[in-house]
Amino acid sequence: AQSVTQLDSHVSVSEGTPVLLRCNYSSSYSPSLFWYVQHPNKGLQLLLKYTSAATLVKGINGFEAEFKKSETSFHLTKPSAHMSDAAEYFCVVSVPNSNSGYALNFGKGTSLLVTP
Amino acid sequence: KAGVTQTPRYLIKTRGQQVTLSCSPISGHRSVSWYQQTPGQGLQFLFEYFSETQRNKGNFPGRFSGRQFSNSRSEMNVSTLELGDSALYLCASSLKGGQNYGYTFGSGTRLTVV
Repeated sequence: AQSVTQLDSHVSVSEGTPVLLRCNYSSSYSPSLFWYVQHPNKGLQLLLKYTSAATLVKGINGFEAEFKKSETSFHLTKPSAHMSDAAEYFCVVSVPNSNSGYALNFGKGTSLLVTP
Repeated sequence: KAGVTQTPRYLIKTRGQQVTLSCSPISGHRSVSWYQQTPGQGLQFLFEYFSETQRNKGNFPGRFSGRQFSNSRSEMNVSTLELGDSALYLCASSLKGGQNYGYTFGSGTRLTVV
């Protein structure tokens, strides 16, 4: 079964410092992976997606993620944190079924706190 | 381009009642998925509809059902509500769903069962 594990439930960084949110995946074949962000009382916004093209994926708001097959990882990074980055971040894998259907399997989430 | 619209935004229902939630996807999108978000279980997949057909279903009891109309709008119904059904219900819209297409989420319907 395809799944993702977010290694940190909480991450705290200072404004202007780098952000690293860690995600490992489990998949028997090349997965489709996503990072979503959820601000308080809001829906989910897609940051970026990996679909077996370039291994380094650039997303919105300066975020990027690198797909590393050898490490089964898909970590999310940003060079310099902004106060507005404080939110919940979800690593997600798309799982197909035999009926041409799909489901998104979400990690437990990482809460990012940005301090002044 | 209008986003994904979920109505209502908030609902309060009594245990044992039933509820219907609505989702209007982005124009042209044919895949609509539903997810339940709770503090304890996180985000869990309910079901996916594509061109009016349910093509995937999560591990939820039969009290949870849905449908999709010819204009791709989708409804989700929960019958015989239980306290544990209190959650944020999110709808996701996709052109076709799956490996190569992103999903756009609505703002959700927050259901409280008392």
